[in-house]
Amino acid sequence: QVTLKESGPGMLQPSKTLSLTCSFSGFSLSTSGMVVSWIRQPSGKSLEWLAAIDWDGDKYYNPSLKSRLTVSKDTSNTQVFLKITSVDIADTATYYCARRRDYYDGTYYYGYVMDAWGQGASVTVSS
Amino acid sequence: DIVLTQSPALAVSLGQRATISCRASESVRSSMHWYQQKSGQQPKLLIYGASNLASGVPARFSGSGSGTDFTFTIDPVEADDIATYYCQQSRNDPTFGAGTKLELK
Repeated sequence: QVTLKESGPGMLQPSKTLSLTCSFSGFSLSTSGMVVSWIRQPSGKSLEWLAAIDWDGDKYYNPSLKSRLTVSKDTSNTQVFLKITSVDIADTATYYCARRRDYYDGTYYYGYVMDAWGQGASVTVSS
Repeated sequence: DIVLTQSPALAVSLGQRATISCRASESVRSSMHWYQQKSGQQPKLLIYGASNLASGVPARFSGSGSGTDFTFTIDPVEADDIATYYCQQSRNDPTFGAGTKLELK
């Protein structure tokens, strides 16, 4: 059974650095093709993809936020981390980590989805 | 970024068909996927590759389309389907639509 769980500070002040942890089980990030993504969702709004890291340590970032984001993983490949620098009120959101899955039936590539999600970590930026 | 446009809300009666559209700002071929998000919960994958049902998803959910125009259908709608539905493309860096809130008439 694949499970993911996010943890974070809950609340932090503007201009600080937000640090989030995604702990997962049921799969290993050392397995070829595995990718873990971060997505956030402000209250009442849509989803925004932030970053991803793959089994090989390659990192991918949303271009609009790239200068503020750092994604990493631990050496045991059971945790993924996200740091966001210089937070402001607009960074208030629920932050999700999710496993990415590619769908390919041998002849056609259907693209990739987030097929398993954590329950989300609520983060409020406030002075 | 590829922008995905969804209508904001849809009101349906139980037992009827609900059809939600998603239009992409450029072609995503068949790399369009659909999620359900109930209040206070994380999103759940329903459809991948425009028309393929994810594992364990009931057959009353379906999807169609390619290129820039996609449709997601629930037939018949059940009370448990009340949620917000999002489309997501993976042709480029992933983006999501604004979501369509399914409501009861």
